[in-house]
Amino acid sequence: GAGVSQSPSNKVTEKGKDVELRCDPISGHTALYWYRQRLGQGLEFLIYFQGNSAPDKSGLPSDRFSAERTGESVSTLTIQRTQQEDSAVYLCASSLVGRSNYEQYFGPGTRLTVT
Amino acid sequence: TQLLEQSPQFLSIQEGENLTVYCNSSSVFSSLQWYRQEPGEGPVLLVTVVTGGEVKKLKRLTFQFGDARKDSSLHITAAQPGDTGLYLCAGARYSGAGSYQLTFGKGTKLSVIP
Repeated sequence: GAGVSQSPSNKVTEKGKDVELRCDPISGHTALYWYRQRLGQGLEFLIYFQGNSAPDKSGLPSDRFSAERTGESVSTLTIQRTQQEDSAVYLCASSLVGRSNYEQYFGPGTRLTVT
Repeated sequence: TQLLEQSPQFLSIQEGENLTVYCNSSSVFSSLQWYRQEPGEGPVLLVTVVTGGEVKKLKRLTFQFGDARKDSSLHITAAQPGDTGLYLCAGARYSGAGSYQLTFGKGTKLSVIP
């Protein structure tokens, strides 16, 4: 496909369980981002990957959150020991770095509900 | 403290009316982007403005970047029900090591009533 894809689209999990969210960026995009969007809120930056550089993890809210990216392709966001406040839509975006206008293309998101 | 303030938060208007949405900050951005997000979907880029004072038009939408590159506005003429959605502004700043970071506002939720 031509766009960013994410899976699953919806995930319901029990408090305390671990979850893994997946993002497939647009082919050729070297930069990948994860954001969290709580109900009625804007986007909260979580983590940024660019090529082989060390990821920018400055937005991760706690050590329960981690993310990996294989080369310039798929990324997974893992939340361990989920809490109810983790309930949100998790959005992934990719972009062609090096362009001054820095346009990001978003996936449809994964809606996570922690019960 | 919210780096980018959007106003109004909510806007409900009749079809055919005009409206303006504002995005303000005390910080300078290298560029500013506007996105529209519909329920159940990710944000979609509408426009990027780069130069202070820049004005861009996209059909009935007019985007302006402030002279000091700290604020922006989105004006919609003759709003249509299809314009309904969450409008997000995002400012890009260089964060070092070849990396830019986007900071998003909380958005303006627009409802256009037929």
